[in-house]
Amino acid sequence: NAGVTQTPKFQVLKTGQSMTLQCAQDMNHEYMSWYRQDPGMGLRLIHYSVGAGITDQGEVPNGYNVSRSTTEDFPLRLLSAAPSQTSVYFCASSRDGQGYGYTFGSGTRLTVV
Amino acid sequence: ILNVEQSPQSLHVQEGDSTNFTCSFPSSNFYALHWYRWETAKSPEALFVMTLNGDEKKKGRISATLNTKEGYSYLYIKGSQPEDSATYLCAFIFGGGADGLTFGKGTHLIIQP
Repeated sequence: NAGVTQTPKFQVLKTGQSMTLQCAQDMNHEYMSWYRQDPGMGLRLIHYSVGAGITDQGEVPNGYNVSRSTTEDFPLRLLSAAPSQTSVYFCASSRDGQGYGYTFGSGTRLTVV
Repeated sequence: ILNVEQSPQSLHVQEGDSTNFTCSFPSSNFYALHWYRWETAKSPEALFVMTLNGDEKKKGRISATLNTKEGYSYLYIKGSQPEDSATYLCAFIFGGGADGLTFGKGTHLIIQP
């Protein structure tokens, strides 16, 4: 049981490049979400999903796309990377988002130069 | 944007002392409140999920209470130990629950031997 797996762990991008941060969970959780962590800001919600085929925007969605074609996977796409997207990104999943806590991945540290 | 406030921002406590800190959240449209423990270089781990006014949860020396009518939750640590040093995050879910978590900025707890 691997839990929530995020890849890559580290990435450096040039401004304007695109990339996909991968997130996979093997717990059959319906709820998945992406957060970014910035100094002094805490964890902020980017996008979330309550099941395959359903996604919605969180607090800071601009510059990011998501899709949820399967229960297991919830990739986060950066369309055209900007230095403001330098951050640590966490993916998390939960059985139902209310009665069960979220399980977090180990994070992806992204630097945009 | 929902406002979830945690206080204090940081706290130094002597080993063996007990301590507590606060999470404030909007009292209307409450769905659930989560507490997470976040150790340096690790991912957040769920401590408690609280859904009902008056809820009290306990795990070892750590306990939490919930007041949804006035919009606050307390986290208590009894007999602090060095391994309790971490950032403690609270996260709020509102409405029907089909949203991600809105996090406070956390309370950074340092236990001094």
